[in-house]
Amino acid sequence: QVQLQESGPGLVKPSQTLSLTCTVSGGSVTSGDYYWSWIRQHPGRGLEWIGYIYYSGITYYNPSLKSRIAISLDTSKNQFSLKLISVTAADTAVYYCAGGYSSVDYWGQGTLVTVSS
Amino acid sequence: EIVLTQSPGTLSLSPGERATLSCRASQSVSSSYLAWYQQKPGQAPRLLIYGASSRATGTPDRFSGSGSGTEFTLTISRLEPEDFAVYYCQQYGTSLMYTFGQGTKLEIK
Repeated sequence: QVQLQESGPGLVKPSQTLSLTCTVSGGSVTSGDYYWSWIRQHPGRGLEWIGYIYYSGITYYNPSLKSRIAISLDTSKNQFSLKLISVTAADTAVYYCAGGYSSVDYWGQGTLVTVSS
Repeated sequence: EIVLTQSPGTLSLSPGERATLSCRASQSVSSSYLAWYQQKPGQAPRLLIYGASSRATGTPDRFSGSGSGTEFTLTISRLEPEDFAVYYCQQYGTSLMYTFGQGTKLEIK
């Protein structure tokens, strides 16, 4: 059973960079079975797909965020990471890391990131 | 970009009743790539249905998915107290993007 756990700061200042890491257990980020995704949920709102990375390093991003995001793999630590630059209050959300292919089969518990000075 | 529209926004029913949730796509979606999720307060979403009609591991058989093209349905045959939650549909398309519907809140009447 694949398990995922997000980690990173819960508070980020406006204009700075949000950085989160997802540690995968019970599976490998080098597996071709899954895309490794980041998905967020603004308070009281629905789900927004941010992007995903494949084991080969290929990435796909939400066009609305593409200019500000980067997702990367660290195969030595079985982790993948999200960087979101130039954050504003609108980026305050619960951020989930997830794994799946056409559906999202596995989800982390989510981590709340607040953008505030 | 495909847009998924879920209806109703809120559905008020009693335990034991049947629930029918709709997900309409702005363009045709491959049935293989349509999924449903359940989310309870303070929890991550949980995959219920994939491939439009296949139950994920652990999904009770009172949950069923159907549909094709642009119209998809999640049916809960007989509501249990633990089924009251928010439900999302999601598609994975030729653009290789995921998109989610805005959700349907299923509340106790």
